[in-house]
Amino acid sequence: NAGVTQTPKFQVLKTGQSMTLQCAQDMNHEYMSWYRQDPGMGLRLIHYSVGAGITDQGEVPNGYNVSRSTTEDFPLRLLSAAPSQTSVYFCASSWWQGNEKLFFGSGTQLSVL
Amino acid sequence: AQTVTQSQPEMSVQEAETVTLSCTYDTSENNYYLFWYKQPPSRQMILVIRQEAYKQQNATENRFSVNFQKAAKSFSLKISDSQLGDTAMYFCAFMSPHGSGNTGKLIFGQGTTLQVKP
Repeated sequence: NAGVTQTPKFQVLKTGQSMTLQCAQDMNHEYMSWYRQDPGMGLRLIHYSVGAGITDQGEVPNGYNVSRSTTEDFPLRLLSAAPSQTSVYFCASSWWQGNEKLFFGSGTQLSVL
Repeated sequence: AQTVTQSQPEMSVQEAETVTLSCTYDTSENNYYLFWYKQPPSRQMILVIRQEAYKQQNATENRFSVNFQKAAKSFSLKISDSQLGDTAMYFCAFMSPHGSGNTGKLIFGQGTTLQVKP
């Protein structure tokens, strides 16, 4: 049972490049979400999904795209990376929306030059 | 909108001593969850302790305990017998319960970096 797996762990991009952060969970969780962590601001919700085919915006969705084609996977796409997207990204999942037991991935450190 | 505030960016404590991290929050809801998460240098988010607002009794987990003051909207974390492994960033977080129309979102404070000194 791997829990929540995020790849890659580190990534450096140039401004304007695109990339996908991967997130997979093997716990059959309905709810999955993406957060970004910035110094002095804690973690903020980017997008979330309550099940396959259903996604919605969080607090800071601009510049990010998500889809949920399977229960297991919830990738986060940066279509045209900007320096303001330099951050640590966390994927988190739980059995249902609003369930207080969230499982976090180990994070992705992204730098955009 | 709910907010969470941690007013201590950095703290330090001697090994074996006790330290208290502060957290205040703002909400108009009566029922909710409060959390403390630990983030060591490995970056992993580790749940330390959880409190349900309808429970008056303060939560405890081994050396970790909270002082939950609902009327004052305060939720502090006490770490007793501090250990070097407690060195980490600590986040206070808030969540509305399931069924209240919430997004399942955790609202985090800014974080407090705790250094345990030998």
